[in-house]
Amino acid sequence: DIRLTQSPSTLSSSVGDRVTISCRASQNVNNWLAWYQQTPGKAPKLLISRASNSETGVPSRFRGSGSGTEFSLTIDNLQPDDFATYYCQQYNTLSPTFGGGTRVEL
Amino acid sequence: EVQLVESGGLWVQPGGSLRLSCAASGFTFTDYSMNWVRQAPGKGLEWVSYISSRGNTKYYADSTKGRFAISRDNAQNSLFLQMDSLGDDDTAVYYCARSAWKSWHFDLWGRGTLVTVSS
Repeated sequence: DIRLTQSPSTLSSSVGDRVTISCRASQNVNNWLAWYQQTPGKAPKLLISRASNSETGVPSRFRGSGSGTEFSLTIDNLQPDDFATYYCQQYNTLSPTFGGGTRVEL
Repeated sequence: EVQLVESGGLWVQPGGSLRLSCAASGFTFTDYSMNWVRQAPGKGLEWVSYISSRGNTKYYADSTKGRFAISRDNAQNSLFLQMDSLGDDDTAVYYCARSAWKSWHFDLWGRGTLVTVSS
């Protein structure tokens, strides 16, 4: 299986900050990478697919970038609703895998 | 409203069995492949199983292969997960998740159903 390593595991931030979360794959995933947001007690919500394609309705402050094995999710002008846990997911293989998650906290 | 609603989560003893269900509504169920994804308490997400739109292709995570069986009833817009030989490590919230069109990321999730395996 392809392993996804997210860093940092926890990120302390403030409203208005810009934050960047990294996701490193153990092998090339050909940009088949998605990002999800999860708040406590809720299901994950898809933010980004194909490494940089934002889903309809996702605020423009969420940006995905990267290629090959190195990817990142950047959130500009952090808002109160953005304090959550973020997961990357690769779907380049028949066994999709998730990163360990990055918790963005106040 | 486009939604997925899981049910069937319970407390079960190790070695027991359980069948989860997921009811889909608001979209053409037969157009989409479906998945189960789980999340152990306080942990990250783990893909469990996949089934194609017609139900003729199925994939499983190594951790569940041979113990879990995914199925669907397209006439009833329903997805199922039969879980046998359950162990403590299977304790988790189980989410029903739709594969995005011709892709394998997940664009629609249910709220999840909790399975607790404990003696």
